[in-house]
Amino acid sequence: DVKVTQSSRYLVKRTGEKVFLECVQDMDHENMFWYRQDPGLGLRLIYFSYDVKMKEKGDIPEGYSVSREKKERFSLILESASTNQTSMYLCASSSHPTVTNYGYTFGSGTRLTVV
Amino acid sequence: SQELEQSPQSLIVQEGKNLTINCTSSKTLYGLYWYKQKYGEGLIFLMMLQKGGEEKSHEKITAKLDEKKQQSSLHITASQPSHAGIYLCGAMNQAGTALIFGKGTTLSVSS
Repeated sequence: DVKVTQSSRYLVKRTGEKVFLECVQDMDHENMFWYRQDPGLGLRLIYFSYDVKMKEKGDIPEGYSVSREKKERFSLILESASTNQTSMYLCASSSHPTVTNYGYTFGSGTRLTVV
Repeated sequence: SQELEQSPQSLIVQEGKNLTINCTSSKTLYGLYWYKQKYGEGLIFLMMLQKGGEEKSHEKITAKLDEKKQQSSLHITASQPSHAGIYLCGAMNQAGTALIFGKGTTLSVSS
């Protein structure tokens, strides 16, 4: 069964900490995405990557960075965590950057709480 | 920028009843994705519609794309408790780089 795996389901971090959220896919997909999901705001795109060492800003990149050193792994980094970054973080991957019959495959999400 | 508006925001139906969820785009739709999310989990792909007038079914869930109205509808027949969750529609953003999503419709099914 193909998978996108996010390393943590729940995470609690302190304000100012550097936080790493890891995402690994086993489908040999080129394209990977990070979203955050908040009540009333829905899913918002943070960053995405079409290839190794490539990254593009999404709609809300401020306060985040990403790393894609290997094709299967896409990491989201919160340089200095703040309480307004408390959210559900969802990683996704796809075989094609645009139109695809199968959409994106999502991980189970990481619920991050910053205290 | 393109936006996807879903209605209703939430609904509660009795088991066995039919229901419809709508997704309206502010721009022309070139493809529309439906996903389901159980609370606190990731999104599960349901189906993708690409052509105007296209209709697809998966078990008791049917989705239709009306490009002229820039709208898609998702219909569930004879709802069951297993249908409960959040339904989200998604479409490619204007730049053609990634999917954007509606805010979701929360469905509860009472037995």
